[in-house]
Amino acid sequence: QKEVEQDPGPLSVPEGAIVSLNCTYSNSAFQYFMWYRQYSRKGPELLMYTYSSGNKEDGRFTAQVDKSSKYISLFIRDSQPSDSATYLCAMSDAGKSTFGDGTTLTVKP
Amino acid sequence: GAVVSQHPSWVICKSGTSVKIECRSLDFQATTMFWYRQFPKQSLMLMATSNEGSKATYEQGVEKDKFLINHASLTLSTLTVTSAHPEDSSFYICSARFPGRYGYTFGSGTRLTVV
Repeated sequence: QKEVEQDPGPLSVPEGAIVSLNCTYSNSAFQYFMWYRQYSRKGPELLMYTYSSGNKEDGRFTAQVDKSSKYISLFIRDSQPSDSATYLCAMSDAGKSTFGDGTTLTVKP
Repeated sequence: GAVVSQHPSWVICKSGTSVKIECRSLDFQATTMFWYRQFPKQSLMLMATSNEGSKATYEQGVEKDKFLINHASLTLSTLTVTSAHPEDSSFYICSARFPGRYGYTFGSGTRLTVV
């Protein structure tokens, strides 16, 4: 069993929709939770970072962490075609990060 | 801002030759850099952790003699794929942690095709 499981997708939504991306994990030592966005043929870029449980909002993006359920989510409001990319969750215990396999999102105009 | 510059962005080489990929941290010193491999529609697979001035730490199953990593300065790490074969064709990405920032800053990746 993988330490980090990510909803595989792919996901296709109309422009303006709310998108929910999710990951579960098994290692209770994870304290740092991140979401990366990766466009095709590019390296990932850090979108959101959360320490421990709670919510964090940045513009149209909201990251949620529920450590009791070992579940994290990324919500995208008012999705735009430019949000079309692969989203990777990642988590760490202050050491190396463990990545999910990614969810590919397509936002159709 | 924290930028990691990776070159080349793509390379095609003949089977049996060696290819060097460079990863530079711009505007900051990176004592540690990470090298990943990514297959299509799959996640990042950590290959090794590159430490400035010391030997790299390789993940289980990664051939250290095939994937040579050199971290000669605080701003430069290189990955050399030696005696490349078609099965080495992949997307290679480096990353570093910018001091005082969370998460990792990634390079733009190198697409290697071995023919």
